[in-house]
Amino acid sequence: QVQLQESGPGLVKPSQTLSLTCTVSGGSISSGNYYWSWIRQHPGKGLEWIGYIYYSGTTYYNPSLKSQVTISVDTSKKQFSLKLSSVTAADTAVYYCARNSGYDYFDYWGQGTLVTVSS
Amino acid sequence: EVVMTQSPATLSVSPGERATLSCRASQSVSSNLAWYQQKPGQSPRLLIYGASTRATGIPARFSGTGSGTEFTLTISSLQSEDFAVYYCQQYNNWPPALTFGGGTRVEIE
Repeated sequence: QVQLQESGPGLVKPSQTLSLTCTVSGGSISSGNYYWSWIRQHPGKGLEWIGYIYYSGTTYYNPSLKSQVTISVDTSKKQFSLKLSSVTAADTAVYYCARNSGYDYFDYWGQGTLVTVSS
Repeated sequence: EVVMTQSPATLSVSPGERATLSCRASQSVSSNLAWYQQKPGQSPRLLIYGASTRATGIPARFSGTGSGTEFTLTISSLQSEDFAVYYCQQYNNWPPALTFGGGTRVEIE
């Protein structure tokens, strides 16, 4: 059973960079069949896909967030990471990592981590 | 960007009754449509992919239909554990621009 776990600071100051890591267990992050995503959910709101990465390092980002986002992967640690630069209060959200099936729906999700942007 | 619109925003249903949730895409997404269930404080759970294929372990009371721009999730006989928020998601584009609907909350009437 694949499991994903997010980790990182729960509080980030405005204008700084939000950094989160997702650790994958119970399966291989290097499987050629999957992409690895970050998704966020603003408090009380819907879901927004941020972007995803293939084990080779190929990335695809949501066009609306592309200028702020960097996703990277460390296959040796079975981890992938999110960096979101120049954050504002509007970036306060629960951040999820998830696995994309070969057809781009999300079949496994982490439990999510709340990140608050505040001074 | 493909905009996904779900209706109604809230659906009040009695246990044992049928619930019908709608999802509309701003342009055709073929059958590249998934449904998720999210309970308070939990991450979303995949219910349906390919518009109509149940994910592993999903009860048969959940069914999905539709293609193109109009999709429906039906819960045939609501159980207490089914009261939650349901989201649709399209995955038709390449390069990917994955988008979700705004959700439908299914509450106890």
